[in-house]
Amino acid sequence: EAGVAQSPRYKIIEKRQSVAFWCNPISGHATLYWYQQILGQGPKLLIQFQNNGVVDDSQLPKDRFSAERLKGVDSTLKIQPAKLEDSAVYLCASSLGAGLDEQYFGPGTRLTVT
Amino acid sequence: AQTVTQSQPEMSVQEAETVTLSCTYDTSESDYYLFWYKQPPSRQMILVIRQEAYKQQNATENRFSVNFQKAAKSFSLKISDSQLGDAAMYFCAYRPAYSGAGSYQLTFGKGTKLSVIP
Repeated sequence: EAGVAQSPRYKIIEKRQSVAFWCNPISGHATLYWYQQILGQGPKLLIQFQNNGVVDDSQLPKDRFSAERLKGVDSTLKIQPAKLEDSAVYLCASSLGAGLDEQYFGPGTRLTVT
Repeated sequence: AQTVTQSQPEMSVQEAETVTLSCTYDTSESDYYLFWYKQPPSRQMILVIRQEAYKQQNATENRFSVNFQKAAKSFSLKISDSQLGDAAMYFCAYRPAYSGAGSYQLTFGKGTKLSVIP
């Protein structure tokens, strides 16, 4: 079984530029999560999707971050415009359902904003 | 809001020895799940072990076991017979068992960096 795929693995941009990250969850997984992991900290949830609907985006900075999950499969997370403090690893995870199911993580995208 | 605290930023252990990583958490819920995740330099989070709060028996998974003290809100991870491949960041995480809103986010601690000395 293929795991959660993410791309790119690394991205370096200048502040005020825009960037997009892509995630392909495990086949059949209805729930998809985006986490932000700042250096020296644990991951923090940005947004949770159930199929193609948003369940929780309370910690997503909506003035600059957006995410979508078209057709309930792949997802894209966008930052526009980026700030220095957005430098972090962006982790995507998926689970079969939401409640009791284990979350499987992808390898993450390391973003550096200069 | 739930919080998870890992008070040991770094730990080291000799190969083949035993090490215990500490975690405390705060919640007003009575039913929930606790996890230990391993994050090697490749950055991929790997589930090590999980504990259901309603179960009194401590979870074990091969060389990994936990000491779950619900009243004290403590959840430590013991790694026995440490191996070089165990070197990584270890994160303690909390997740509610029930959510009316359907949000089952993991709340993570800041992590403990474990080094294994040959």
